[in-house]
Amino acid sequence: QVQLQQWGAGLLKPSETLSLTCGVYGGSLSGYFWTWIRQSPGKGLEWIGEINHSGITNYNPSLKSRVTISVATSKNQFSLKLSSVTAADTALYYCASPRGYRYGYSDNDAFDIWGQGTMVTVSS
Amino acid sequence: DIVMTQSPDSLAVSLGERATINCKSSQSVLFNSNNKNYLAWYQQKPGQPPKLLIYWASGRESGVPDRFSGSGSGTDFTLTISSLQAEDVAVYYCQQYYDTPRTFGQGTRVEIK
Repeated sequence: QVQLQQWGAGLLKPSETLSLTCGVYGGSLSGYFWTWIRQSPGKGLEWIGEINHSGITNYNPSLKSRVTISVATSKNQFSLKLSSVTAADTALYYCASPRGYRYGYSDNDAFDIWGQGTMVTVSS
Repeated sequence: DIVMTQSPDSLAVSLGERATINCKSSQSVLFNSNNKNYLAWYQQKPGQPPKLLIYWASGRESGVPDRFSGSGSGTDFTLTISSLQAEDVAVYYCQQYYDTPRTFGQGTRVEIK
């Protein structure tokens, strides 16, 4: 059973760069897109972007200028960087995997396994 | 972006009664070539990540009680809890995965009356 475990700094100052990593345990990254999502009281659930094992990415246009998602296949990890953070980036950040990963199909997909979440607070 | 709009924002239902949550997308999420609706429903309890309940609009995820059902097609979808249990108190979200950016509804809070 695949599990996602995420880690990274939880307190940032404005203008700093958010950096989070998600480890995939119980399987490999290959063949699927792996996702970052955030949740804030003001904006609800917001899809940040996704990456596959080859490094192909899709980003939310609302964040695209500040987001970088990368993958380290040898470590079975993928990472999120969000630059120039402000208080509006304060949120609970999740990594998530597609349902097809467990059930053996590849398509645009719902998210069935989520990381535990990392609360990121941006404050001076 | 595809905008997902849920109604109502909150809902109070007596134990054992039916709860119905609606979700409307700003454009169709039905992929004609495979006749699948790219629509999911999630349940979120405090301090937990969202839990997938329904995929392809009506497919119930393994382990999800059969009192949960999803229906609808195109732009209009419904999540029904046929007989509300105390453990169903949560916030429920719909989400489209037809296109990027993936988008979620604003959530519907379900409480016990």
